[in-house]
Formats: sequence, C-alpha cells, structure tokens
Amino acid sequence: QKEVEQDPGPLSVPEGAIVSLNCTYSNSAFQYFMWYRQYSRKGPELLMYTYSSGNKEDGRFTAQVDKSSKYISLFIRDSQPSDSATYLCAMSAGFQKLVFGTGTRLLVSP
Amino acid sequence: SAVISQKPSRDICQRGTSLTIQCQVDSQVTMMFWYRQQPGQSLTLIATANQGSEATYESGFVIDKFPISRPNLTFSTLTVSNMSPEDSSIYLCSVEDPQDGTYEQYFGPGTRLTVT
Repeated sequence: QKEVEQDPGPLSVPEGAIVSLNCTYSNSAFQYFMWYRQYSRKGPELLMYTYSSGNKEDGRFTAQVDKSSKYISLFIRDSQPSDSATYLCAMSAGFQKLVFGTGTRLLVSP
Repeated sequence: SAVISQKPSRDICQRGTSLTIQCQVDSQVTMMFWYRQQPGQSLTLIATANQGSEATYESGFVIDKFPISRPNLTFSTLTVSNMSPEDSSIYLCSVEDPQDGTYEQYFGPGTRLTVT
C-alpha cells in the first residue's frame, strides 16, 4: 500500500463547476499538507499549505484536512479552463521530507 | 517565495554518459532537495543537500549514481552518472523557504532527461 493514494483521473468538468480533488494517506505522523498545481512541462507550483486538521481558504481554492479519516481535499470553485493541470497532494511529518501522491489530471472545458 | 532556475531544461543523452543538472536560487536557503518524476508516478525524493555537508540520500538512491554538490547557499548540482534508459525522467530541485518557519517547498521548472 502506498503511503499516499490519489486518483490519477483525468477528471473532466465544464467551466464554472466545483471541483473536488482528494487524497488518502496511511501515515498518522503526517501533519503538514500541501497541494501543488503542475502545468504540462513545468515544475509544481505550491497552491495551498495546511498544518494539522481544518479548512483553509484562498480565493477560489479551499483545502480541507481530516486527520481522523486520513483524508485531504482541495476544492476549486468556479473552475476555469486555466485551472486545467495536474494537481499533486503532498504531505510531511516535518523534517523536510515530502511524500507525494501521483497527481490528478484536471480538464476544465469552456 | 524563492525563484528557482534549472539548467538544462531538457537533454537527450546516450547511455553510459553522465549529465550534470544545475539548480540556482535567487536567495540563500538552507535546505535544497532533488526529486525525480517518472511518467505516471509520484515525485520521489532522491536526496537532501545542505551546504557544507554531504548530501543525505533516500533509500534506493546512491551517491555513486547521483553525486550532488552544494558549494553555497544558492546553488546545487545533481549528476546522473552512467545513464541508462531507465533514468529517463524529469529531475526537479526544490528549496525550503526558511522565512516563515514552515515546511513549504518551492520547485524549479525541472530538467527533462531522455536517455537513448
């Protein structure tokens, strides 16, 4: 079993839809949770950073962490074609080492 | 956040040769990391590079295959030695920005390596 599981997609939605991206994990020591966006042939770009459980909102993006269920989510409201990318979850127990999911490819059609 | 550049952006190399990838940061950082991203797979940490000390390698990666230098707080290199087609991948460096005391990591644009 992988430490971090993420559905690879692709996930296809129409413009304006609410998108839900999810990851599950097995290591209860993880406390720091991140979402990265990666456009084709580019490096990952940090979108959201959350410590421990709870919600964090930034514009159209909301990150949610449920440590009791070992489940994290990223919601994108009013999705745009420019949101089409691969979304990677990553997590850490601290001490620098990040463990990544495989990424979910999102396609937002006009 | 730190701005990170990598050279080369891509290369095609013959098996048995070596390639050195450079990572430059626009500010001083303590921690630099090297990752590999193979098609359809997660980013995998190769090693952590601190200035002035030997790099720390993850399980499955060895110094003879992936020697790393970290001569100062803004620069690092990763060499992929004696390459085989299985080394075809994207290689990414990242840094941890110490300014706010979090564990956020920022990535460079990556080096796309194809070994023939």
